[in-house]
Amino acid sequence: AQKVTQAQTEISVVEKEDVTLDCVYETRDTTYYLFWYKQPPSGELVFLIRRNSFDEQNEISGRYSWNFQKSTSSFNFTITASQVVDSAVYFCALRTYGQNFVFGPGTRLSVLP
Amino acid sequence: GAVVSQHPSWVICKSGTSVKIECRSLDFQATTMFWYRQFPKQSLMLMATSNEGSKATYEQGVEKDKFLINHASLTLSTLTVTSAHPEDSSFYICSASPATGRTEAFFGQGTRLTVV
Repeated sequence: AQKVTQAQTEISVVEKEDVTLDCVYETRDTTYYLFWYKQPPSGELVFLIRRNSFDEQNEISGRYSWNFQKSTSSFNFTITASQVVDSAVYFCALRTYGQNFVFGPGTRLSVLP
Repeated sequence: GAVVSQHPSWVICKSGTSVKIECRSLDFQATTMFWYRQFPKQSLMLMATSNEGSKATYEQGVEKDKFLINHASLTLSTLTVTSAHPEDSSFYICSASPATGRTEAFFGQGTRLTVV
């Protein structure tokens, strides 16, 4: 069975603080893909990143960075110098080849001015 | 990037009526489309997987006679909520996978259904 856990239900930070959103996944497949999506109040899912199971290199994109640790089955997401516009629900998701997405429960991030 | 268009973005209907939601892949052919439902403050839950030209595969607990899915072409899948009830009020999102890239999937904007 496949599962994605996001232990943090809600996080509140003050603008300019760094924040890390945790994601732990379970799968027996050796080939899989991990995703992060942002869901603002309007509801649409905004794609942030995709990482395949063979690429453990960490990635940085502007204020966003991702830490993929296969040994601990984690794919954590860090926002540096958070901004009010970062306030949203963030979903971590797992997908194996040809299959549907399995989403985590989401983490609601509130960035206060 | 690839675009998936979902329509309508919101709809209000009376109990007992049916509502159709369309999901279109605008610039690629989608052999597989997925339909998700999201209740307030919850995650996305897969309802069904539809493959072009064949019957949809429904997840456990999803009534196939209530949520009719049609995937008649490689660019269009529809979800019809039949005899809608207030408990069907939810946010419905589709996603589509290109025929040539099965690891990718693109999401529609979602449809907020309110049944009164």
